[in-house]
Amino acid sequence: EPEVTQTPSHQVTQMGQEVILRCVPISNHLYFYWYRQILGQKVEFLVSFYNNEISEKSEIFDDQFSVERPDGSNFTLKIRSTKLEDSAMYFCASSDGMRAPQETQYFGPGTRLLVL
Amino acid sequence: QKEVEQDPGPLSVPEGAIVSLNCTYSNSAFQYFMWYRQYSRKGPELLMYTYSSGNKEDGRFTAQVDKSSKYISLFIRDSQPSDSATYLCAMPSGGSYIPTFGRGTSLIVHP
Repeated sequence: EPEVTQTPSHQVTQMGQEVILRCVPISNHLYFYWYRQILGQKVEFLVSFYNNEISEKSEIFDDQFSVERPDGSNFTLKIRSTKLEDSAMYFCASSDGMRAPQETQYFGPGTRLLVL
Repeated sequence: QKEVEQDPGPLSVPEGAIVSLNCTYSNSAFQYFMWYRQYSRKGPELLMYTYSSGNKEDGRFTAQVDKSSKYISLFIRDSQPSDSATYLCAMPSGGSYIPTFGRGTSLIVHP
């Protein structure tokens, strides 16, 4: 069964450093998403991406964040200058449409980011 | 007032028990109601969804919505140890259908 994959599974970085989290969505999907989950808290939407541009973003997704689809398979989230409060699990998701809930978002296993 | 509220648990039950998981919400604009299951170290996966008030059944799982009370439930019959996971309720709103998640309830089914 096709699945969303994410790398790395864990990342430790120093405050102020840049990190890039990588995702390979399901191959025929057109819509891509990033979410985060701070330990013990809710899964929170960050950004959605379609047709090579951001279609929606939350208040969390400020200028420190950017997303890119550098080639036909990868979808990346970059945090330019990490802060302690960026420590969280980051989930990538993809779907073949936006008519939720029928067009289900499939989530990857997540990247656990720890900022020291 | 938070949009989606869910008791984090943990909820511990013996195998075979009927489990009831609940969420309340404040936004009357929510029209779709979803339940996700999240195993440890995995991303959420959609378990069930329903559009309207009433019940929807899928195998051992039943989703129930009471829009007048802004209250949704997920019932699991004949619970199994493999059902041990965190269950997240979620409600998409607006044209974008981006879900607003609850905190999730941790369920432990012990043999």
